[in-house]
Amino acid sequence: NAGVTQTPKFRILKIGQSMTLQCTQDMNHNYMYWYRQDPGMGLKLIYYSVGAGITDKGEVPNGYNVSRSTTEDFPLRLELAAPSQTSVYFCASSLDLSYNEQFFGPGTRLTVL
Amino acid sequence: RKEVEQDPGPFNVPEGATVAFNCTYSNSASQSFFWYRQDCRKEPKLLMSVYSSGNEDGRFTAQLNRASQYISLLIRDSKLSDSATYLCVVNEGTGRRALTFGSGTRLQVQP
Repeated sequence: NAGVTQTPKFRILKIGQSMTLQCTQDMNHNYMYWYRQDPGMGLKLIYYSVGAGITDKGEVPNGYNVSRSTTEDFPLRLELAAPSQTSVYFCASSLDLSYNEQFFGPGTRLTVL
Repeated sequence: RKEVEQDPGPFNVPEGATVAFNCTYSNSASQSFFWYRQDCRKEPKLLMSVYSSGNEDGRFTAQLNRASQYISLLIRDSKLSDSATYLCVVNEGTGRRALTFGSGTRLQVQP
């Protein structure tokens, strides 16, 4: 099993550009999450999904969108990138919402200039 | 007040030392608790869950104190490879569908 994979690993965007961060898991987990981690800070939940076709906002959803058309994939879309979105983005998946281990991807380091 | 608070450290300890971290949480309805480990520029990985009765995994011991709303992590006989950031993670229970992460405590074990 590859676990949770994310692409790209690094990206530099200009203000106002858009991009999609890709996330795929091969563990057949129903639950998937997107977090951002700013330097010296904890992870903040952006969006999560409890299954294909079902998504919901987390703590910091503004400026982002998600979709979940399959169990495996959970892409995160940034529209109109802003410097405040410079961060490390982690995708994660789990068997259930809170009681089981969350497995994280290696992260995408995004810089918006 | 932050939902989950940790001392950021760094804790600089010599090899073989015993070190303890505490973490406080604000929501008394929190239901489950975890310690995750995060190496520099890497993703977090589960270190251990924290059970009400306390639990041990090799050199690592986790404790939960619901009355005072804190959890602790004790590392005995520290190794160089224990150098990392340790994240306290809390499930806040009903109505919350994900985990709340503390900012982490950095540990540096020195030779």
